[in-house]
Order: sequence, then C-alpha cells, then structure tokens
Amino acid sequence: KNEVEQSPQNLTAQEGEFITINCSYSVGISALHWLQQHPGGGIVSLFMLSSGKKKHGRLIATINIQEKHSSLHITASHPRDSAVYICAVRSYNTDKLIFGTGTRLQVFP
Amino acid sequence: SQTIHQWPATLVQPVGSPLSLECTVEGTSNPNLYWYRQAAGRGLQLLFYSVGIGQISSEVPQNLSASRPQDRQFILSSKKLLLSDSGFYLCAWRRDRQSSYNSPLHFGNGTRLTVT
Repeated sequence: KNEVEQSPQNLTAQEGEFITINCSYSVGISALHWLQQHPGGGIVSLFMLSSGKKKHGRLIATINIQEKHSSLHITASHPRDSAVYICAVRSYNTDKLIFGTGTRLQVFP
Repeated sequence: SQTIHQWPATLVQPVGSPLSLECTVEGTSNPNLYWYRQAAGRGLQLLFYSVGIGQISSEVPQNLSASRPQDRQFILSSKKLLLSDSGFYLCAWRRDRQSSYNSPLHFGNGTRLTVT
C-alpha cells in the first residue's frame, strides 16, 4: 500500500460542476502539498497546508490531521482546470516529500 | 522574484549516449535543489537532492549522477543512457530549512527524455 493514496485516479466533469479530489496518507507529516501538473508537464504548487483550510480563487484545500486526509475542491469547474492534481506530504521524520500518483481531471465544456 | 530554468524541454537520445540536463535558479541564495523523475503513469520519484555546493545525496541507485558546481546550478548526468532512463525529469527548489522551515517546493517545466 502506498503511503499516499489519491482518489479518484481519473475524473471527468462538465463545466460548472463542483469537483472534489481526495488524498489519504499513512505517515506523520509536517505539511501537505497540492500540485497541479499541466498537460505539457510543468508543475505548479497550489497549496501547502498543515492544518485547517486554505482558499485561492475557485480552489479550496482542507486537511484533517487526525484522520490523515485532505481534499482539494474546485468550484465552478472550467475546461482550463483540466490537469493532473498531485498530493504530496512531507514526512515529519525524514523531511522528504512523498507523492501520490495523481488524479487526472478533464472538464468538458 | 525567484525563477527556475530547466533545459532542454525535450530530448531524444540513443542508448549508450551521455546525458546532461541543467537547472538554474534565480532570485534566491543557498536553495535546496532536487531532481525528480516521473515515469509514465507513476508518481514523482526523488533522484537527488542538494543542500549546498558539492553536496549531493542520492536516493535511488542508478546510472545517473548529479552535481552542483555553483550555488544555483544543478546538473543531472549520465555517462551511458539506458532505455529505462526514459521519463520526465523535473528540477525543483525550496528555501533551506534555516531560512524557512517547511517552505513550498517550486518546480521547473521539466525535460521529457526519450531513450531510443
């Protein structure tokens, strides 16, 4: 079992839909990252959080430390949101990043 | 502001040929630097990281090597490429722990390497 699990692996949506991507982890962490990988391969850091909730535009990230779970929400989804979303956790013990395998999101107009 | 440059964007190399991928960071000093590889359908795998000039830590045994000849320059090399070296290589940086504990990771645009 991977230390970081994401679900779903693939997700399709119609423009305007509310999107939720989940991330569960099994190690002690100091922070959790949500990353966006564009079709060309470039990666952008969306959020880094260690507790609670963060919001940036239409994106919201939440984390529950006790349950070792985080969610990334996209409100009013748009075709330009189509990308691979990657969850990564920073291990408290090793300070190393552990990556999930990503969720491929396609938003159709 | 800080920026990270990685080149080339794509590369096709024959088996047995050498490899040199370069990554440079601007706008910061003494960054922690990382090389990751992403194989098709798999998560990001840390290959090397560096906390200073000449200081390289290897995470996965392989025929790749890394060097940091200058503070903001990180080079990924191979003397003889294997087919299994094909993949998407990403350079990344973050602030060192002394200046900013738990700072975010910033990625370059990546190099897609195909070994034929």
